[in-house]
Amino acid sequence: GNSVTQMEGPVTLSEEAFLTINCTYTATGYPSLFWYVQYPGEGLQLLLKATKADDKGSNKGFEATYRKETTSFHLEKGSVQVSDSAVYFCALVNKGGSYIPTFGRGTSLIVHP
Amino acid sequence: DVKVTQSSRYLVKRTGEKVFLECVQDMDHENMFWYRQDPGLGLRLIYFSYDVKMKEKGDIPEGYSVSREKKERFSLILESASTNQTSMYLCASNSGETQYFGPGTRLLVL
Repeated sequence: GNSVTQMEGPVTLSEEAFLTINCTYTATGYPSLFWYVQYPGEGLQLLLKATKADDKGSNKGFEATYRKETTSFHLEKGSVQVSDSAVYFCALVNKGGSYIPTFGRGTSLIVHP
Repeated sequence: DVKVTQSSRYLVKRTGEKVFLECVQDMDHENMFWYRQDPGLGLRLIYFSYDVKMKEKGDIPEGYSVSREKKERFSLILESASTNQTSMYLCASNSGETQYFGPGTRLLVL
């Protein structure tokens, strides 16, 4: 079956620090990979995605590269802001199926001024 | 933009009450989902629906039922609310790989 493992949080950083949130997966077939973000008091929203090996997804200064050889999709940002404080979820979806995602447990990011 | 709306942001109910959570999406998506979100457990799928009047159990369906009478609307029903159903409930929809979420309903059962 499918599974997604994320580093446990909270991750606490100072503003302008470098961010990495690790995500590894196991999947049958060749999934698409996603990062979703949940700001306080809101639902999840798509942050970025990658659909095949070596693809890089990027948005709002965040990046993640689909690494098939290490089954990973780590989220990075060069300089975090207080407004990036949120919970980040890694997810996968098997292609051609019923589009039911498998989510990681989420990683809380807290950025201090 | 896709919009998924949920009927309430906050709800307080008594043990044993019947509770209805409503979700509406405006993008003609085939698939709709109900999740609950609890600290340390992430998102857990309760039920999903891939068409009107069709439903499938997710990972934790016990104590819940659903209804999808129209394509845009997916309801979650707690037949007899219990305190262990206190949680954040998230509705989502998709017609492809990307999920679109509502803002969530925070339910407190006393």
